[in-house]
Parts: sequence; structure tokens; C-alpha cells
Amino acid sequence: GAVVSQHPSRVICKSGTSVKIECRSLDFQATTMFWYRQFPKQSLMLMATSNEGSKATYEQGVEKDKFLINHASLTLSTLTVTSAHPEDSSFYICSARSDRNQPQHFGDGTRLSIL
Amino acid sequence: KQEVTQIPAALSVPEGENLVLNCSFTDSAIYNLQWFRQDPGKGLTSLLLIQSSQREQTSGRLNASLDKSSGRSTLYIAASQPGDSATYLCAVSGYNQGGKLIFGQGTELSVKP
Repeated sequence: GAVVSQHPSRVICKSGTSVKIECRSLDFQATTMFWYRQFPKQSLMLMATSNEGSKATYEQGVEKDKFLINHASLTLSTLTVTSAHPEDSSFYICSARSDRNQPQHFGDGTRLSIL
Repeated sequence: KQEVTQIPAALSVPEGENLVLNCSFTDSAIYNLQWFRQDPGKGLTSLLLIQSSQREQTSGRLNASLDKSSGRSTLYIAASQPGDSATYLCAVSGYNQGGKLIFGQGTELSVKP
């Protein structure tokens, strides 16, 4: 089946550091990728949608200068959390799909902990 | 605005039981509905996808139904096993939300040996 690889799986770093998370579709072309955030015991909250070669569309309340998204190819999207602070600590998950009628396939998530 | 609700929030059953998880959504203008499984600290595994024109999908012991007009879907798990213990999420991709997935809060399932 379709595979989405997300790296790293866990990051622990100091406050003020910028952290980059990669999301790759391994066996299909992902025209659209999504970035979610999940708090403990809660469902996924969509942060932004990115289409290959276009600027990401951010959900209301998500700071685009804080969470930089790049989708430069059909197989790779990156999320950079800039100048991370403890309140940015969370579980970040990416997903990818080839077209609107196909399922979204999810990565294994990245646990981000800011000290 | 699309809202997705899952009932129950948590469910505990003995091994071997058949069970049903429920999902309802408020906007019937959908492309498809997906059921996912999430293990603790992990990402999501896609279980079944039902297109808006379909009424059900089956995979092994899992059967998902869709009644678009009433805004409901069910996930039926036959002969449950301890390995089925996880959180099950329902998500809808809707026309009016630009195809984005809107998730329910999930049902936390525990299957006791």
C-alpha cells in the first residue's frame, strides 16, 4: 500500500531552536500534503494544506511565519517550526494524497518537545 | 460548517465480541469518508475509504457502511481481538471544505483477553 515517511520521529531541543520535519511519499506522487497537530487525548487539528509548487494554505489561527511549509516536489513537503517555544511542543503528523478521490495516507508523526 | 461526531468516546469489550462504532456528520456534500486506526504515540493507519457513491466497504473483519443522506457511517468489527485495541477515527472529505479531512474525536477501543 501507499507509504508516507515522516522524519524525525522525535525531537527534543532548546527553546528558540528551529526544527524541520520532513514528509515524503515513497510510492506515489502527492499533489497535496497536509500538516496536522495533535494534543494528548484529542483529535487531529489541520494546520495547513500544501499543493506542490504553490504556497501553503493555512487554517485560521495558525501563524504562517511560525510554521513554514515547503512543498517543492511531488514527493516531499517540509514543516519548519521557527524559534520554537515550549507551547509548540506537540505531536505533528503529515499526510499525503494523489488526488481528491483518493485516501489520505499518514506518516507516523513527530513528537516535538521544546525544553 | 462540517462537524463530525463519534459515539461512543470509549468502549471496552471482551475478546470475540462483534462491535459497532458510530460516526455522524452534518454536511452530506462529501467526496468520501475514511476510517482510521491510531495506536498510542503513532500516526494514522487508513482502514477503509468509502466514496460518496458507495454504501459499504469491507476489509477482512472490518465492514464500513455509509448513509450519506442521513449523515451516518458505522464501522463493524467482527470477532474482536486484543490487537484491535486502539483509537478509531472517522474523517470526512467534503466539497464545502475544499476536500480537507474533518475528523471526529475518535472512539478508544479496548478489547480484553
